[in-house]
Amino acid sequence: NAGVTQTPKFRVLKTGQSMTLLCAQDMNHEYMYWYRQDPGMGLRLIHYSVGEGTTAKGEVPDGYNVSRLKKQNFLLGLESAAPSQTSVYFCASSYSPGDTEAFFGQGTRLTVV
Amino acid sequence: DQQVKQNSPSLSVQEGRISILNCDYTNSMFDYFLWYKKYPAEGPTFLISISSIKDKNEDGRFTVFLNKSAKHLSLHIVPSQPGDSAVYFCAASAQSGYSTLTFGKGTMLLVSP
Repeated sequence: NAGVTQTPKFRVLKTGQSMTLLCAQDMNHEYMYWYRQDPGMGLRLIHYSVGEGTTAKGEVPDGYNVSRLKKQNFLLGLESAAPSQTSVYFCASSYSPGDTEAFFGQGTRLTVV
Repeated sequence: DQQVKQNSPSLSVQEGRISILNCDYTNSMFDYFLWYKKYPAEGPTFLISISSIKDKNEDGRFTVFLNKSAKHLSLHIVPSQPGDSAVYFCAASAQSGYSTLTFGKGTMLLVSP
């Protein structure tokens, strides 16, 4: 049972480049999330999805876009990467948004130079 | 405005002793609280949770206490083991409002032999 899988695990981008982070879950969860973790900042919610075809903004959505075309996949896009987007990105999924545990992927370490 | 606060960035404890990690919240709508544990280069994993209808929840060596009037919760680990060394995140949600999780900044626990 893979749980939540993130691709890639590491990436270095130049300022202005674009990229897409892929998250896949095999638990049939309705809810999926993208967080970023920065030193001393904890986990901050970027975007989330309450089901296939739906997305919503979290706490820090600027500079990111997301899509949930299939229930098991949640994509996070950076259209024009900036050094401020250097971070560790975590995807998570859950049965419901707040009353059950969320399962996290192993993270993607992104550096924008 | 930080709604979930973990005011201690780090905590050092000797093996076999009790570890107490604290968390305060400001949003009175929060009614479900969780603790996550995170090792380096891994995603956070769920540890224990508590609903606002309880004031204590226990799971093996881990106990979470909730003081609603003080808007404070704590995680007790007894006895502490070197393998408990990790970053611990407190998280909260407004279950009745189906809100997403809000995380604290984390406390790094170091358990020395």
